[in-house]
Amino acid sequence: DAGVTQSPTHLIKTRGQQVTLRCSPKSGHDTVSWYQQALGQGPQFIFQYYEEEERQRGNFPDRFSGHQFPNYSSELNVNALLLGDSALYLCASSLPQPSPLHFGNGTRLTVT
Amino acid sequence: GENVEQHPSTLSVQEGDSAVIKCTYSDSASNYFPWYKQELGKGPQLIIDIRSNVGEKKDQRIAVTLNKTAKHFSLHITETQPEDSAVYFCAASIGAGGTSYGKLTFGQGTILTVHP
Repeated sequence: DAGVTQSPTHLIKTRGQQVTLRCSPKSGHDTVSWYQQALGQGPQFIFQYYEEEERQRGNFPDRFSGHQFPNYSSELNVNALLLGDSALYLCASSLPQPSPLHFGNGTRLTVT
Repeated sequence: GENVEQHPSTLSVQEGDSAVIKCTYSDSASNYFPWYKQELGKGPQLIIDIRSNVGEKKDQRIAVTLNKTAKHFSLHITETQPEDSAVYFCAASIGAGGTSYGKLTFGQGTILTVHP
């Protein structure tokens, strides 16, 4: 049973560019959440998708946007990259009712 | 919004000793408290969780206690082993009705080192 898979594992971008990160949820899960984890800190909630709509959003600017597809996979898009966007981006999936989150191994984004 | 404070930031123990990590939360509406273990180069892995209608939960060498009045919860690891070495995160969330626990607020993490 495949867990949460994310791609790519590492990415290097230049300030001002745009990036798209991808996530496939654990089998049977239909809710996807995205988190940003800066070095040495706990993950911070970006947003959550369910039924192809953004259901909750954390304190992140509009440069961060997402999408969920009919097969429940999801994308995170970040526009106009800043140096401060360098972080590990984590995807987590769950069932729609209160249930534990299962995380992928993340995408390491470096902005130069 | 919710704020979660975690202590200590680093914890060093000898193999076989117990380890305790403590967290406090600010929002009395929080009702779900998971603990995650994160190893280098990997995502957080759920190790145990507790809901607000339960005061204590145990799974082999790992236990979690919750004090809703004090808004405080703790992770206890007994008989520690070198493979327990990792970063541990506590988190809090509000799940109501049909909503999921997607919006977790994490603590700052505890680096646990178990010396053989």
